[in-house]
Amino acid sequence: AQSVTQLGSHVSVSEGALVLLRCNYSSSVPPYLFWYVQYPNQGLQLLLKYTSAATLVKGINGFEAEFKKSETSFHLTKPSAHMSDAAEYFCAVSEWNQFYFGTGTSLTVIP
Amino acid sequence: DAEITQSPRHKITETGRQVTLACHQTWNHNNMFWYRQDLGHGLRLIHYSYGVHDTNKGEVSDGYSVSRSNTEDLPLTLESAASSQTSVYFCASSDVERADTQYFGPGTRLTVL
Repeated sequence: AQSVTQLGSHVSVSEGALVLLRCNYSSSVPPYLFWYVQYPNQGLQLLLKYTSAATLVKGINGFEAEFKKSETSFHLTKPSAHMSDAAEYFCAVSEWNQFYFGTGTSLTVIP
Repeated sequence: DAEITQSPRHKITETGRQVTLACHQTWNHNNMFWYRQDLGHGLRLIHYSYGVHDTNKGEVSDGYSVSRSNTEDLPLTLESAASSQTSVYFCASSDVERADTQYFGPGTRLTVL
């Protein structure tokens, strides 16, 4: 089975600073990779996804992620954090129509 | 617009009672999924369905059941609720042709006393 590891269950950044959320996966085949965001009391919303095309994927709200096969990583970044980015972020791997989620990273943005 | 809805949004029940959580999607997706979300565990798959009359067990299926009688609905039943089933439950769906993206409902917060 797939596994997804998100390093750091809590990340705090200052407003305007770089956001870096880490995700590593285990897969023996090229995976589909996703980042989802969850705002308080809401469901998960797709931020971006990698499906074997360009390794640098751009998503909504200024987020992007880079697929690095050699490192089995799919880290999420945003150059400048905004207060509205405060949320829970989940990395996920898809294989055969099933998703495997990481345990999530809670992002706090400090004004 | 197509959407996926869950009801109720909040539910409090007692240990031993049967509880059914509803999930309805208007995407006309063949694939539907139920997850539970718990602190420190992320989302864990309970059951899933790839079409009408198809159901499959996920990672944490004990104590839960589902049935799929039409494309739009996948109700989740807790046969005899336990305190360990206190959680937030999310339903999701995906299209067979674009099975790489799942769309999530708003969630149901279930408390078992």
